[in-house]
Amino acid sequence: GENVEQHPSTLSVQEGDSAVIKCTYSDSASNYFPWYKQELGKRPQLIIDIRSNVGEKKDQRIAVTLNKTAKHFSLHITETQPEDSAVYFCAASLKTSYDKVIFGPGTSLSVIP
Amino acid sequence: GAVVSQHPSWVICKSGTSVKIECRSLDFQATTMFWYRQFPKQSLMLMATSNEGSKATYEQGVEKDKFLINHASLTLSTLTVTSAHPEDSSFYICSARNRGRSNEQFFGPGTRLTVL
Repeated sequence: GENVEQHPSTLSVQEGDSAVIKCTYSDSASNYFPWYKQELGKRPQLIIDIRSNVGEKKDQRIAVTLNKTAKHFSLHITETQPEDSAVYFCAASLKTSYDKVIFGPGTSLSVIP
Repeated sequence: GAVVSQHPSWVICKSGTSVKIECRSLDFQATTMFWYRQFPKQSLMLMATSNEGSKATYEQGVEKDKFLINHASLTLSTLTVTSAHPEDSSFYICSARNRGRSNEQFFGPGTRLTVL
């Protein structure tokens, strides 16, 4: 089955700096890659997603890149703010399995004011 | 739009009892719902995929007789934790796919289960 790895597990940046989180997936059939932000005790919130027919997507301060050949995808957050502090999960979804979403282990991001 | 609710939001029960958690899509039809379990400081682990009108598909290592899933309608799926034990204490989250849209899932707020 699909396996998603994520690095780093923790990340601390100064306010205003950029943060980058990297993920790899194992199943080349995966075709949808969402990123979620989760605050303590809350549900995951979709912050951006990318499909396998696209290499890059941007939404204001957030961007995601996908390298299908290498099975890598990354989240980039620019001009970080303290409210960006949370746990971020990458995920991969298999079209052939009812689009079930497999999560990476998560990255705890701390933005220091 | 695309709101998913869960009930209850938290529950405390005695060891050996069964607990039912409901997941509802409030403003869309969900052909597929997913159940996840999340232990403290860990990721969301997919437990099972629930399709309306058919049996759930469980992930490897998840006991189907312990975690009973029923998806009786396009807006409701239930997870029953049978004979709960302290190690079943966790945060249980459901998600639902909108019938008219592919891939994107909408998450419920989660249910905190504590087994004494």
